[in-house]
Amino acid sequence: SYVLTQAPSVSVAPGKTANITCGGNNIGSKSVHWYQQRPDQAPVLAMSYNSDRPSGIPERFSGSTSGNTATLTISRVEAGDEADYYCQVWDSRGNRWVFGGGTKLTVL
Amino acid sequence: EVQLVESGGGLVKPGGSLRLSCAASGFTFNKYAMNWVRQAPGKGLEWVSSISDGSSYIYYGESMKGRFTITRDNAKNSVYLQMNSLRAEDTGIYYCVRDQGGPLDIWGQGTKVTVSP
Repeated sequence: SYVLTQAPSVSVAPGKTANITCGGNNIGSKSVHWYQQRPDQAPVLAMSYNSDRPSGIPERFSGSTSGNTATLTISRVEAGDEADYYCQVWDSRGNRWVFGGGTKLTVL
Repeated sequence: EVQLVESGGGLVKPGGSLRLSCAASGFTFNKYAMNWVRQAPGKGLEWVSSISDGSSYIYYGESMKGRFTITRDNAKNSVYLQMNSLRAEDTGIYYCVRDQGGPLDIWGQGTKVTVSP
């Protein structure tokens, strides 16, 4: 079965850049979606189809994929970006959605 | 306003059953696939089940197969999750989620399910 691997946590100072990665076998050939979940809130779509930013998501958010890694990049990080971030792909072999384990972004 | 509102959660004993409901509003419900996604306390997101717009395609996560059943009623703009043979590890918040044909773009606020003696 297809597995997505995320680092449990990433810490970054305000104003700096956060790179949140998602590893998967040949993930560069898939469409990757990202979700932001603030504490005690439902998840929100943060990035779709690797690099499409939904309305309401700041331009500071960007996405990319290459080879076995997908990356969600947050530039000029703010305190309000502190949240858990999850990557997601469709596993066509298993006919199922797969989520990564999530990365907790801490703003120092 | 596009909205999904879940209901039906609660406390149930191991081996028991629950039926979750999700009422959709603000969009043409019968044009979208729908999903259930859950989150155990302090854990990550876990996909539970999907149903296509016309109910032709239905999929389940591995640990849900044979115990959970997803259905929808397009006339009532609603999707349901019948959960049987519940286990402690089914405890969590269950989210109803709209499927944009790729990204899951609209999430409800969730309904809490607790499986405990």
